[in-house]
Amino acid sequence: QSVLTQPPSASGTPGQRVTISCSGSSSNIGSQYVYWYQQLPGTAPKLLIYRNNQRPSGVPDRFSGSKSGTSASLAISGLRSEDEADYYCAAWDDSLSAVVFGGGTKLTVL
Amino acid sequence: EVQLVESGGGLVQPGGSLRLSCAASGFTFSRYWMSWVRQAPGKGLEWVANIKEDGSEKYYVDSVKGRFTISRDNAKNSLYLQMNSLRAEDTAVYYCALSITIFDYWGQGTLVTVSS
Repeated sequence: QSVLTQPPSASGTPGQRVTISCSGSSSNIGSQYVYWYQQLPGTAPKLLIYRNNQRPSGVPDRFSGSKSGTSASLAISGLRSEDEADYYCAAWDDSLSAVVFGGGTKLTVL
Repeated sequence: EVQLVESGGGLVQPGGSLRLSCAASGFTFSRYWMSWVRQAPGKGLEWVANIKEDGSEKYYVDSVKGRFTISRDNAKNSLYLQMNSLRAEDTAVYYCALSITIFDYWGQGTLVTVSS
């Protein structure tokens, strides 16, 4: 059971906008930055969003992050087939003194 | 270009030991925290440990405390994870990560299998 809660799956058709949620508590998302990672099949994770809504260089602006209270969301607009991957949220947890992850969301592009 | 290359994984019996290494290049290794993150087969990501730039602070997930030791050699641009008293539940791909924020760059991972 992961400390951060994500839906196990999400889907959309090319061109659509999809959102993936990440729910936590006051000791993690409520008081810390949220990070998002993309893991393409058979590869290592890649940083997608840092500090709630910042994109590293090279990440398309189709990807955006937001946070409100103890929840966060990753939005992907203009969905493309190459976006099919597993997406994970993460945050530092003050109570656990540890980085915690969500269980991951498998995104399928129909 | 940041490069992180893990090595040292393999098959080990329960109760055994293994030492993972991560060779870093493309950035000033001694200026950043470094981390290990693992992923059990078909499962999600789990942070394992991290270490401060100079090695003076180290943190571990509860499940590995007392069994795993993270260390670094800044002269060799290398990160290590000494794993003792290994259990079946430690079976995973272990990733080395550069922690500018949390996990900004990742290596390709090395597979550790704990089985008799």
